[in-house]
Amino acid sequence: DAKTTQPPSMDCAEGRAANLPCNHSTISGNEYVYWYRQIHSQGPQYIIHGLKNNETNEMASLIITEDRKSSTLILPHATLRDTAVYYCIVRVLANFNKFYFGSGTKLNVKP
Amino acid sequence: DGGITQSPKYLFRKEGQNVTLSCEQNLNHDAMYWYRQDPGQGLRLIYYSQIVNDFQKGDIAEGYSVSREKKESFPLTVTSAQKNPTAFYLCASRISQMNTEAFFGQGTRLTVV
Repeated sequence: DAKTTQPPSMDCAEGRAANLPCNHSTISGNEYVYWYRQIHSQGPQYIIHGLKNNETNEMASLIITEDRKSSTLILPHATLRDTAVYYCIVRVLANFNKFYFGSGTKLNVKP
Repeated sequence: DGGITQSPKYLFRKEGQNVTLSCEQNLNHDAMYWYRQDPGQGLRLIYYSQIVNDFQKGDIAEGYSVSREKKESFPLTVTSAQKNPTAFYLCASRISQMNTEAFFGQGTRLTVV
């Protein structure tokens, strides 16, 4: 299984962009990068996913390096409600589908 | 509205008792999952099911059991064999095709006293 590495915590000022890094150096060519977030005591929420190209939706942008060994989730204008744990996940390719969640990055958005 | 529902949100049980956590989805998803989350940690996979009447052990299946008699339902039983059952339990579902997002329930916080 491709493993991901994320910093345990980050701070961001409200209204500024939050850039959350993720390393996945053992990712294979057909594995996707997913991002989820979890607000305290709630279920994780899907944010975005991508394979090679950069992706953008109404919540965030995903920048994947050309060698695909790392990626960055960008929240363009962080709000206090974006304070959460953000999980970077590489999808396991097998006969069964499983999502492995690591420890994630706790993003603290401060006023 | 479509969604995935876990009940109850909070559950208390005495040590040595089995307890069953409910997970229901009306999204017509084939795959369903159970995760456990301990304070300050990520999610760990307990069991998953790709199709009705079939399920597979995850990384920490010992002390747990599941059933998948209906597509919509994937209940998890925490047995007395589980040494540290107090945790936050999350159920998820997704379409069984590749690279689709998973939808999570709001979780059940189980406390064993």
